[in-house]
Amino acid sequence: QKEVEQNSGPLSVPEGAIASLNCTYSDRVSQSFFWYRQYSGKSPELIMSIYSNGDKEDGRFTAQLNKASQYVSLLIRDSQPSDSATYLCAVWMDSSYKLIFGSGTRLLVRP
Amino acid sequence: GAVVSQHPSRVICKSGTSVKIECRSLDFQATTMFWYRQFPKKSLMLMATSNEGSKATYEQGVEKDKFLINHASLTLSTLTVTSAHPEDSSFYICSALWAVTSGTDTQYFGPGTRLTVL
Repeated sequence: QKEVEQNSGPLSVPEGAIASLNCTYSDRVSQSFFWYRQYSGKSPELIMSIYSNGDKEDGRFTAQLNKASQYVSLLIRDSQPSDSATYLCAVWMDSSYKLIFGSGTRLLVRP
Repeated sequence: GAVVSQHPSRVICKSGTSVKIECRSLDFQATTMFWYRQFPKKSLMLMATSNEGSKATYEQGVEKDKFLINHASLTLSTLTVTSAHPEDSSFYICSALWAVTSGTDTQYFGPGTRLTVL
């Protein structure tokens, strides 16, 4: 089992819709979770971080964490074509002092 | 968010030469920086963890004599690809760890360096 798993996609949504990106992780003691956005040919950009169970909202983005289910998600409301990118879920591992990335989900927002 | 720069953004070199890539945290001090490489359409691969004032920790399979890392100050880490070969051509990305006294440390990425070895 991979440490951080994401559906590779592509996830295709129409402009204005809600895009829902999901991630599961294997280390039950993990405490810190991050979502990065990566455009083709560019480096990852931090979108959201979340540490507590529940929802965290920032503009059009909402991160959701459920530690009991070992599940993290990112919702993008009112999706725009400019949101088309690969979204990387990352989990910080205290034991190894490094960030473990999922393979990323490619999001396509259709105009 | 915190700003991390990388230089150069793009480099083309001949096989056998060495290339140095700089990673700087511009508005915070970073005791720890990380170096990644990424091939087209592939995931980020952690190469090594760079700690200020001490030796870098390399991931399994990464040749430390090939990829020299120096973290001489709290704002600068360098990666030198020695005797570069075409198979070293890749997108190299650094990140710096913004450590906070309360809350959780967060990694911020530099813009990346695209290396092409001819």
